[in-house]
Amino acid sequence: AQTVTQSQPEMSVQEAETVTLSCTYDTSENNYYLFWYKQPPSRQMILVIRQEAYKQQNATENRFSVNFQKAAKSFSLKISDSQLGDTAMYFCAFMKLSSYDKVIFGPGTSLSVIP
Amino acid sequence: SAVISQKPSRDICQRGTSLTIQCQVDSQVTMMFWYRQQPGQSLTLIATANQGSEATYESGFVIDKFPISRPNLTFSTLTVSNMSPEDSSIYLCSVYYNEQFFGPGTRLTVL
Repeated sequence: AQTVTQSQPEMSVQEAETVTLSCTYDTSENNYYLFWYKQPPSRQMILVIRQEAYKQQNATENRFSVNFQKAAKSFSLKISDSQLGDTAMYFCAFMKLSSYDKVIFGPGTSLSVIP
Repeated sequence: SAVISQKPSRDICQRGTSLTIQCQVDSQVTMMFWYRQQPGQSLTLIATANQGSEATYESGFVIDKFPISRPNLTFSTLTVSNMSPEDSSIYLCSVYYNEQFFGPGTRLTVL
């Protein structure tokens, strides 16, 4: 069974600064996707970034980038130039590639961006 | 992309009653997923619903409590039966369509 762990229940960052959210996972699979989802107070789940495990290059999306360490089973999210709109819950998630199966979510990190 | 709508967006129910949540997708999808998000918690998968077959339930969830229908490739319902205050949660519908999309959720409060 796959598990996803986020060791930081809450974090805060000053506006315009950089913050890194941690995520580790456990799986015996070799081919899978990893995701970071954002859930603002509106509760709508928004995909922030996706990483395919077979790709060595770290994914980036504008101010968001990941540090994917497959051997260490680590998948951290870096948010640069933090904005007030980044305030939200962030969930790390895992999905097997073989069958576009269910997504397993970590417990989440509550991020507050301070003006 | 896939756009998902859910009805109702929220409801307040009495213990012992049942509520059916509807999920509509604007694209045909093979699998639909139902998640529960308890207050302040992460998302937990309840079941996977394939069109034309019975839903597959995760450990800790049973069909008698959470019956699911999947009559076609764009629609599904989740019923929360014989509700208790512990069922107060947000229930989210999700589909995979090149990426995972989520509905806006249904906020259920059981008194």
